[in-house]
Amino acid sequence: DADVTQTPRNRITKTGKRIMLECSQTKGHDRMYWYRQDPGLGLRLIYYSFDVKDINKGEISDGYSVSRQAQAKFSLSLESAIPNQTALYFCATSEAGTVNTGELFFGEGSRLTVL
Amino acid sequence: AQSVAQPEDQVNVAEGNPLTVKCTYSVSGNPYLFWYVQYPNRGLQFLLKYITGDNLVKGSYGFEAEFNKSQTSFHLKKPSALVSDSALYFCAVRDMRNAGNMLTFGGGTRLMVKP
Repeated sequence: DADVTQTPRNRITKTGKRIMLECSQTKGHDRMYWYRQDPGLGLRLIYYSFDVKDINKGEISDGYSVSRQAQAKFSLSLESAIPNQTALYFCATSEAGTVNTGELFFGEGSRLTVL
Repeated sequence: AQSVAQPEDQVNVAEGNPLTVKCTYSVSGNPYLFWYVQYPNRGLQFLLKYITGDNLVKGSYGFEAEFNKSQTSFHLKKPSALVSDSALYFCAVRDMRNAGNMLTFGGGTRLMVKP
């Protein structure tokens, strides 16, 4: 089983619908992240969480919200999906503390299409 | 602010030839530098990192990268390319002083290795 699991892997929805992408991890890491990947733009950070009570906006948080339900679970919601949110979404984790150099561990991605 | 540039959208090499994928960065302080690889329909996988010390770092699958502070570059190299190396490669940077541990990714370079 993968250390970082994302569901669903693929989703097609319509404009205005609410969508939730879920992420769970078995690595025991405190830090979790949601990224969005668009061709030619690399990965851009949407939200991140350093522990269950800590939620922070990334560079492109508008139109998204998150929930950290437990150390192992971090979900991303699109309250009212729009076509330009069509993208590949990645959840990632990392260790905390001084030993953490920034290495991220990624899930396999959730491909979202908004029609 | 920190940034990463990958000047080539695609790099084509013949199997058995050496390959180089270019990356330049900008940070205020000293950098942590990373390379990740993404195979089709998969999440990003960590390849290697530069934290401190020897400017030539070795990573997974025979890849290596050279940190050049004067040129602010961290190019990925491999002496002999394999067809199985064909994938999307991302360079990423974090400022050592960035307590938030956020990585900034480049736009990615697609490596095509032809038999």
